[in-house]
Amino acid sequence: AQRVTQPEKLLSVFKGAPVELKCNYSYSGSPELFWYVQYSRQRLQLLLRHISRESIKGFTADLNKGETSFHLKKPFAQEEDSAMYYCALSGRSGGSNYKLTFGKGTLLTVNP
Amino acid sequence: DTEVTQTPKHLVMGMTNKKSLKCEQHMGHRAMYWYKQKAKKPPELMFVYSYEKLSINESVPSRFSPECPNSSLLNLHLHALQPEDSALYLCASSQGFTGPYGYTFGSGTRLTVV
Repeated sequence: AQRVTQPEKLLSVFKGAPVELKCNYSYSGSPELFWYVQYSRQRLQLLLRHISRESIKGFTADLNKGETSFHLKKPFAQEEDSAMYYCALSGRSGGSNYKLTFGKGTLLTVNP
Repeated sequence: DTEVTQTPKHLVMGMTNKKSLKCEQHMGHRAMYWYKQKAKKPPELMFVYSYEKLSINESVPSRFSPECPNSSLLNLHLHALQPEDSALYLCASSQGFTGPYGYTFGSGTRLTVV
């Protein structure tokens, strides 16, 4: 079974402060991990994939297999970063099927 | 075209109605998905189609009936729904079926069952 845990439902920071959204996972195989973002009244968008090791909108995330974590970080938060952030894991679900499982999400609010 | 398009954007239906949700993508993606999202909750997987064949059904009640007429279209037929089925229904597609491909989501159909 695959499980994604985001321990913080809500996270509030001030503009310019560092931000870290936590994500831990449970999966017996080699996981593929993602961060998705959902701005108010907008569609769910892919933010980051662990495999690409990219930085999008100043956000980075590193897969730590030892700690089974994939935390999302940004050194200086901006007000426009306020959104719901979902960590997600793509894993095998019987046979050759894969499915994407989401964590419960963290609502980030960046205050001016 | 790099989008997943869902119609209608909003739908209100009675418990005895029959309606359909539509999803379309022209990115050549061969995997398509239906998710259900309740307010302030993460999306929950309902169905997965790969190469137009149903490959995963997450024990969804039979009042929801998916259909994939071709590689670009995905439908969700609704019949005899309950008020608790009111939610945002999301369609998504992905380039491949194995791990590292991200999903492209549509903006959803907000369904209200009265």
